[in-house]
Amino acid sequence: SQQGEEDPQALSIQEGENATMNCSYKTSINNLQWYRQNSGRGLVHLILIRSNEREKHSGRLRVTLDTSKKSSSLLITASRAADTASYFCAPVVNTGNQFYFGTGTSLTVIP
Amino acid sequence: DTGVSQDPRHKITKRGQNVTFRCDPISEHNRLYWYRQTLGQGPEFLTYFQNEAQLEKSRLLSDRFSAERPKGSFSTLEIQRTEQGDSAMYLCASTVAQGDSYGYTFGSGTRLTVV
Repeated sequence: SQQGEEDPQALSIQEGENATMNCSYKTSINNLQWYRQNSGRGLVHLILIRSNEREKHSGRLRVTLDTSKKSSSLLITASRAADTASYFCAPVVNTGNQFYFGTGTSLTVIP
Repeated sequence: DTGVSQDPRHKITKRGQNVTFRCDPISEHNRLYWYRQTLGQGPEFLTYFQNEAQLEKSRLLSDRFSAERPKGSFSTLEIQRTEQGDSAMYLCASTVAQGDSYGYTFGSGTRLTVV
């Protein structure tokens, strides 16, 4: 299956704390992407990490990729209430091809 | 060009009616995708196009569903004889399918309610 599976399903933290969510997948990939979805809206692309990269940063986001374990993690530092959303990972087998989402991690940041 | 546009944002229809949704991708993107999302679930892949060619259809896309992308620009998704189980958010996304890896840009979706 090309589907990414996020863990945990739900996460609740206080504002200012760090949030870590994980993604596991089963196939070899070209890249892995993380998306955020606010309630009732479309998905927003956050970050893409290629299969030959181990870590990538973008602002308060840090993504790691371990292709030997077929897993990735997304760390959001110094969380804000506005980070409250669902987060999905998308393992991409071939560039431009469709990908399959899991059920996501629902993050709640309490002000 | 500000992103992927979907129209309408909301659609309420009676069971048995036909509905059509439209997606306008980012103009230079040659790949366009349709996903369906129900409450509490992740988006489920339905179909995608490269230019005007429909390259893959999910088993979820029953014969009541049809998608087109004439001229490789905008796309339409039609659902015939709607059923209550079709109630969902329908998401469109686009990307460039060549060169280095790019993220996918999603629209805000069309929420369909079948009553």
